[in-house]
Amino acid sequence: AIQLTQSPSSLSASVGDRVTITCRASQGIGTYLAWYQQKPGKAPNLLIYDASSLQSGAPSRFSGSGSGTDFTLTISSLHPEDFATYYCQQFKSYPETFGPGTTLNIK
Amino acid sequence: DVQLVESGGGLVKPGGSLRLSCVASGFTFNTYTINWVRQAPGKGLEWISSISSGNDYIYYADSLKGRFTISRDNAQNSVFLQMNSLTVEDTAVYFCARTERAYDSWGQGTLVTVS
Repeated sequence: AIQLTQSPSSLSASVGDRVTITCRASQGIGTYLAWYQQKPGKAPNLLIYDASSLQSGAPSRFSGSGSGTDFTLTISSLHPEDFATYYCQQFKSYPETFGPGTTLNIK
Repeated sequence: DVQLVESGGGLVKPGGSLRLSCVASGFTFNTYTINWVRQAPGKGLEWISSISSGNDYIYYADSLKGRFTISRDNAQNSVFLQMNSLTVEDTAVYFCARTERAYDSWGQGTLVTVS
């Protein structure tokens, strides 16, 4: 099975900051990667698919990049509602594994 | 609007069984793969099973050790997850989600507590 790691596991940032989260796959997955945001008590919400395509309705301050084994999610300027947990997920092969998550806290 | 609604969760004793349902609306159900994902309290997301639109392909997480069975009824716009031999480690919120490039639509989740 393809394993995903995320770094950092948590970070503290302020409104207006630029933030980058990294996801690394244990083997090449092309661009078969998605990013989700999850807030406590809620279902995850798709932000990015195919590594860099912005999901309809997701704010344009979110962007994704990468291919192969290394991927990043960038938030260009943090808004108060962005403080949440972020997960990557690979779709190269089953099981469609998730990364362990990155929690974004208010500094 | 696309909607997925899970039901069937609850409190069950170790060794017991539960059957979860996921009812969909607002889209052509029989053209989409549907998935189950769970989240233990305070933990991350865990993919557990997927079923293709026409029942052609079914996948399970190895960790389930054959205890769970996914199925679907396209006439009822529903996907089911039969869970047997439950253990305390199966305690989690169970989500169903639709695959459209990624998991683009999710239900609200149903809580399964094994105790």
